[in-house]
Amino acid sequence: EDQVTQSPEALRLQEGESSSLNCSYTVSGLRGLFWYRQDPGKGPEFLFTLYSAGEEKEKERLKATLTKKESFLHITAPKPEDSATYLCAVQARVDSGYSTLTFGKGTMLLVSP
Amino acid sequence: DAGVIQSPRHEVTEMGQEVTLRCKPISGHDYLFWYRQTMMRGLELLIYFNNNVPIDDSGMPEDRFSAKMPNASFSTLKIQPSEPRDSAVYFCASRWTSGTDTQYFGPGTRLTVL
Repeated sequence: EDQVTQSPEALRLQEGESSSLNCSYTVSGLRGLFWYRQDPGKGPEFLFTLYSAGEEKEKERLKATLTKKESFLHITAPKPEDSATYLCAVQARVDSGYSTLTFGKGTMLLVSP
Repeated sequence: DAGVIQSPRHEVTEMGQEVTLRCKPISGHDYLFWYRQTMMRGLELLIYFNNNVPIDDSGMPEDRFSAKMPNASFSTLKIQPSEPRDSAVYFCASRWTSGTDTQYFGPGTRLTVL
């Protein structure tokens, strides 16, 4: 069974204080790892997909990296508007058909001015 | 282009009542997913459809839950009878086979069963 564990559960940062969120996963074979951002009262919003170990993707102050066992979401010089819950999900590789996503419980990030 | 549309956004009902949640996927998307989100369990997949056909409903918690997709533009998730433990936020998401594996989520329906 695929499993995703995110840590920490909650993180409070000062504006400009860089940090990283962790997503550890167990999957029989990884097809893709997804990062989503979720604001209060809204649906998850897609950020990145990573497909292979060593891959990195960036968007503004966010950079996602991937190893064979975990992914990190690095936040550089965060701003209050980066406050949100960040969700990680894995998709297993299958021989045929579509493989659904397994989500972690998320990390709630609060950036104070 | 409009995203995934869900209605109602909020639903408050009493135990035992029937609840129907509605979803309109992004035009052209051929997969539709229903999820439930709670603090305890996070985001859980309930059921998904491909080309309007249910493919996997193993996440549906019990027979009180049912889902239909009568056409490519509309799906419903029904709970009958509803119970307080069904209180959660229900999300619909869609994706396009010929695109990436990315799923696009709607704004959700917050269900409260009293």
